[in-house]
Amino acid sequence: EIVLTQSPGTLSLSPGERATLSCRASQSISSSYLAWYQQRPGQAPRLLIYGASSRATGIPDRFSGSGSGADFTLTISRLEPEDFALYYCQQYGSSPTFGQGTRVEI
Amino acid sequence: QVQLVESGGGVVQPGRSLRLSCAASGFTFSTYPIHWVRQAPGKGLEWVAVISYDGSKEFYADSVKGRFTISRDNSKNTVYLQMNSLRAEDTAVYYCARVLTVMIVCLAYWGQGTLVTVSS
Repeated sequence: EIVLTQSPGTLSLSPGERATLSCRASQSISSSYLAWYQQRPGQAPRLLIYGASSRATGIPDRFSGSGSGADFTLTISRLEPEDFALYYCQQYGSSPTFGQGTRVEI
Repeated sequence: QVQLVESGGGVVQPGRSLRLSCAASGFTFSTYPIHWVRQAPGKGLEWVAVISYDGSKEFYADSVKGRFTISRDNSKNTVYLQMNSLRAEDTAVYYCARVLTVMIVCLAYWGQGTLVTVSS
């Protein structure tokens, strides 16, 4: 099983600031199979990024993904109030796994 | 538009069974694999199972293998999750989710979830 470790666990920032979230895999994975999701309280997860760097439909361009091999990053260039939420990375090769999540809080 | 609606959650005693349903609409159901993902209270996401578009292949997380069975009825646009020998640690919100495309298999569409509580 591929283990995904996200850091930091919590990111405390202010609106307008830049957020950088990390996702490290226990072994190299194809960047084609790395996704990021956002989850707000009481809601289902929402796909933000797939293929490590492709934005899903309707996702603002302040969200960007990068990385390869075992290290991936989600960047939110300027935090909006609605961006304060939980973020998960996922590898969706065989036997999909999720990271434990990063909370972005005000 | 794509819609997924889970049902069948509730309170069940340890060792008993429960069947969840995921009713789909707004797309050609028989073309897409469907996943189940769960989230224990206050915890992260855990992938549970996936079924191929035609029901011929199923894959499970080790934590549920041998206890849970995923199936689908393409004539009813519905996927099921039969959960047997339930344990307290199976308590979670269960989501069904559809992949983005048949080639890009991240989870693009999610239901609202159904809560399963395993407790005596």
